[in-house]
Amino acid sequence: AQTVTQSQPEMSVQEAETVTLSCTYDTSESDYYLFWYKQPPSRQMILVIRQEAYKQQNATENRFSVNFQKAAKSFSLKISDSQLGDAAMYFCASFNAGGTSYGKLTFGQGTILTVHP
Amino acid sequence: KAGVTQTPRYLIKTRGQQVTLSCSPISGHRSVSWYQQTPGQGLQFLFEYFSETQRNKGNFPGRFSGRQFSNSRSEMNVSTLELGDSALYLCASSLIASGTGVEQYFGPGTRLTVT
Repeated sequence: AQTVTQSQPEMSVQEAETVTLSCTYDTSESDYYLFWYKQPPSRQMILVIRQEAYKQQNATENRFSVNFQKAAKSFSLKISDSQLGDAAMYFCASFNAGGTSYGKLTFGQGTILTVHP
Repeated sequence: KAGVTQTPRYLIKTRGQQVTLSCSPISGHRSVSWYQQTPGQGLQFLFEYFSETQRNKGNFPGRFSGRQFSNSRSEMNVSTLELGDSALYLCASSLIASGTGVEQYFGPGTRLTVT
């Protein structure tokens, strides 16, 4: 079974500063993807960034980047130049692309990010 | 390209009733999955459909069922509603292809309240 753990229930950052959200996962599958989703108060789940497990290069999307440590099963999200609009709940998730749990997203518990002006 | 749509957005039902929620995926996406989000349990996987076939199911009672139509639209049904079924139900539309990998996007959700 897959598990995803976010050990930081809440984080805060000053506007324009950098913050890193932590995530660890456990899976027996060799073919999987990792995601970070953002859920603002509207409850819309927004895809922030995606990482293919077979790629060593860390994914980046504008101000968002990840630090993917496959051996350590760690997948942290770095937000640079934080903006007020980044305030939301952030979920780390793993996606099975093989095995008996194919197509299933397993989510962490979420981290509430507060951005201070 | 239009996003994932879910209807209705809000629903209030009484204990014992049944409810049907609908999800239309992004054009070209053939996989649809459903998730339940509650404050206590977080986000939990309900089931996943691909080409009208259920490929995977989470640990939910048989009162929760779903189906997918030939146009990839999906419905989920909850019968004999219980107070604990009050939740945000999220639908995700997925494209899994060699070369592009996995794309998975969520709809806005249906907020179900059971009284």
